Amino acid sequence: AQSVTQLGSHVSVSEGALVLLRCNYSSSVPPYLFWYVQYPNQGLQLLLKYTTGATLVKGINGFEAEFKKSETSFHLTKPSAHMSDAAEYFCAVSERDTGNQFYFGTGTSLTVIP
Amino acid sequence: EAQVTQNPRYLITVTGKKLTVTCSQNMNHEYMSWYRQDPGLGLRQIYYSMNVEVTDKGDVPEGYKVSRKEKRNFPLILESPSPNQTSLYFCASSGWDSTDTQYFGPGTRLTVL
Repeated sequence: AQSVTQLGSHVSVSEGALVLLRCNYSSSVPPYLFWYVQYPNQGLQLLLKYTTGATLVKGINGFEAEFKKSETSFHLTKPSAHMSDAAEYFCAVSERDTGNQFYFGTGTSLTVIP
Repeated sequence: EAQVTQNPRYLITVTGKKLTVTCSQNMNHEYMSWYRQDPGLGLRQIYYSMNVEVTDKGDVPEGYKVSRKEKRNFPLILESPSPNQTSLYFCASSGWDSTDTQYFGPGTRLTVL
């Protein structure tokens, strides 16, 4: 089975600082890759995804992520953190060959310090 | 408004008392899925469905059942709930397959005493 690792269950950044949330996957065949965000007491919503093509993917709210096959990584970044970015972030994958089962990481809680 | 709805939003029950959590989507989506979210474990997929009458096990299907008799509905059934099924449950739907964006419901917080 696929596994998804998110390093750092809690990340704190100052407002205006770079946000970097890490995600690594385990499969030898690159899967489809997703980042979802969960605001308090809400469901998840998609930030961005990589399925094919350009490895640098831009998403909503100024976030982007880069797929690096050699590092089996899909780290999420944002150049300048805003207070409204405080939330839980989940990396997720689904396997290209077996289809539609999804695997989520354990999540990273982002705190933005004013 | 495009949405995924879940009912109930909160439920406290006792061990062994059968319950059903309903999920409905109004986007004509093919794919629907159930997840449970537990602290420190993230989201884990319970079951998913590619279309009517087509369901498959996810990572943690034990103790759960699902059915997909209509495209819009995907109920989650706990025939004999146990305390280890206390969790936050999310239903999600997407257009066709694993490349499509999943839209999540608001969640159902279940407590089994």
